[in-house]
Amino acid sequence: KQEVTQIPAALSVPEGENLVLNCSFTDSAIYNLQWFRQDPGKGLTSLLLIQSSQREQTSGRLNASLDKSSGRSTLYIAASQPGDSATYLCAVPYSGGGADGLTFGKGTHLIIQP
Amino acid sequence: GAVVSQHPSWVICKSGTSVKIECRSLDFQATTMFWYRQFPKQSLMLMATSNEGSKATYEQGVEKDKFLINHASLTLSTLTVTSAHPEDSSFYICSLKREKGRLFGPGTRLTVL
Repeated sequence: KQEVTQIPAALSVPEGENLVLNCSFTDSAIYNLQWFRQDPGKGLTSLLLIQSSQREQTSGRLNASLDKSSGRSTLYIAASQPGDSATYLCAVPYSGGGADGLTFGKGTHLIIQP
Repeated sequence: GAVVSQHPSWVICKSGTSVKIECRSLDFQATTMFWYRQFPKQSLMLMATSNEGSKATYEQGVEKDKFLINHASLTLSTLTVTSAHPEDSSFYICSLKREKGRLFGPGTRLTVL
């Protein structure tokens, strides 16, 4: 059964800092990994999708890397801003069974202090 | 780009009543939609996979007779929570799968009194 772990669970830093959020998964037989952002009481916004053949993806100040062999992904946020405050979730497709949903980590709750 | 909407965005109901949540895919025909549930401070958990024109596939531990799913068209899937109880209070989110990853709806907050 796939398990996804995110570290740290919470993070509070002053704005302007560069951040690294970590995600690990137990079953490396994934075909992609996706990072999402969730604001309080809201749905999910897709940030980056990394295919298994890729090692990283970049979008603006965000950069996500994927190391399948070690079961890890990182989300790098450059020059953080208060508007980046949210919960960041990583997710991988189900492994095994007939479902095609996603397995999520519990997220990293990020607060950027102005 | 494709957008996923949900209705209602929040609902409060009495214990024992049934609640229907709609998930609509705008500008994208989705043969498959997914329903997730998120309890406070927990991550999303897949409840079921909704297949257009056929029966939904439920995850282990999710009662199919309690959480009725209907996917009658390529743009609409509904989740009905029957005989709701306070422990069903949660945030319900639908999702669809695209080539460029998954899209999620804005969620429906259900509170059962």
